[in-house]
Amino acid sequence: DTEVTQTPKHLVMGMTNKKSLKCEQHMGHRAMYWYKQKAKKPPELMFVYSYEKLSINESVPSRFSPECPNSSLLNLHLHALQPEDSALYLCASSQGREKLFFGSGTQLSVL
Amino acid sequence: EDQVTQSPEALRLQEGESSSLNCSYTVSGLRGLFWYRQDPGKGPEFLFTLYSAGEEKEKERLKATLTKKESFLHITAPKPEDSATYLCAVQANGQNFVFGPGTRLSVLP
Repeated sequence: DTEVTQTPKHLVMGMTNKKSLKCEQHMGHRAMYWYKQKAKKPPELMFVYSYEKLSINESVPSRFSPECPNSSLLNLHLHALQPEDSALYLCASSQGREKLFFGSGTQLSVL
Repeated sequence: EDQVTQSPEALRLQEGESSSLNCSYTVSGLRGLFWYRQDPGKGPEFLFTLYSAGEEKEKERLKATLTKKESFLHITAPKPEDSATYLCAVQANGQNFVFGPGTRLSVLP
């Protein structure tokens, strides 16, 4: 299994809603990532988990809250988002020096 | 600071018209250079990893090469289905992946 699975594929939420994005991989990778990508821009790193511990937080606003319940799962909890947070949210995993495996992303629209 | 630039920003080719995309990088200790293909609204799809200058990798109509300062993605006789954004990324000693801005390729029939 060489897949990273993300759910949901699309999400529309209001600025007062609370929602969660989910990501799962079964490749035994010990590093998992959240990226944010705006249209016509490269992926922008948000968080990195290494061995289930948060190792990098790229100064992301607290309305984004990551969680790594176990080595296969990664969540991103969303609360009180702003319209400018609308973007494609990508999950990825990797094993050390190896390539990033990306999921298909969640297209988020904040109204 | 690690930096990756890509050129051109956008490229339009006729079907069968070969060309090259450039990725230039400045990193402190290259651990790997990666090429990805991304279709609109989808996650990046891995193409190649290159680790050292002089290395080359090929897959169908694509060939990636690496020097000490840049990488090229050569596209031979492209087809309309090769239309996508091509992203270059480097992994340096800091171990984070740094992405370039991408090249948007359109292949016209």
